[in-house]
Amino acid sequence: GQNIDQPTEMTATEGAIVQINCTYQTSGFNGLFWYQQHAGEAPTFLSYNVLDGLEEKGRFSSFLSRSKGYSYLLLKELQMKDSASYLCAVKDSNYQLIWGAGTKLIIKP
Amino acid sequence: GAVVSQHPSRVICKSGTSVKIECRSLDFQATTMFWYRQFPKKSLMLMATSNEGSKATYEQGVEKDKFLINHASLTLSTLTVTSAHPEDSSFYICSAPPIAGHTEAFFGQGTRLTVV
Repeated sequence: GQNIDQPTEMTATEGAIVQINCTYQTSGFNGLFWYQQHAGEAPTFLSYNVLDGLEEKGRFSSFLSRSKGYSYLLLKELQMKDSASYLCAVKDSNYQLIWGAGTKLIIKP
Repeated sequence: GAVVSQHPSRVICKSGTSVKIECRSLDFQATTMFWYRQFPKKSLMLMATSNEGSKATYEQGVEKDKFLINHASLTLSTLTVTSAHPEDSSFYICSAPPIAGHTEAFFGQGTRLTVV
């Protein structure tokens, strides 16, 4: 079966750095996405990785290792507004998105 | 950028009634629309894929007669929850596939359905 694993919840301090990990086992791979979702709202796109390595976009970076079936999202200079759920999703061989359950990130002052 | 408009954002209905959720692509044509539901603290679960001009494709375990999907035009897809029950209470989100120049899907704002 297809599976995406992420930690359920993480806590970090305002101004700090946090890394959210994602491991996947899917039938094929056509890219990995990270989305941010605030409660009661639709997900918003953060990043996309299809090749191994690090993609940096402002305070957010995403890393991918296809051989390990592993990705992480790195958030720097955390702000209170970063409190949200972060969803990892993989596009499989049928180009269908398989979603993780999300990691709830709690930012403390 | 591409915008998908979904409404209503919140709806409360009585058991046994039907509720229609609309998703419109505002500045592009969407021949396909994905419909998801999401329970609290759970992942997005694909329910069905609507295709303009043909029947929707339902995921295993999703009742076709209960969740009616219609893709009436290149800019409108609807999900109707028929004979709603409290267990149908959930967050429903539509999503259009990426368009040229984009890798990410485009989501509607989501609909919080509460059946009482």
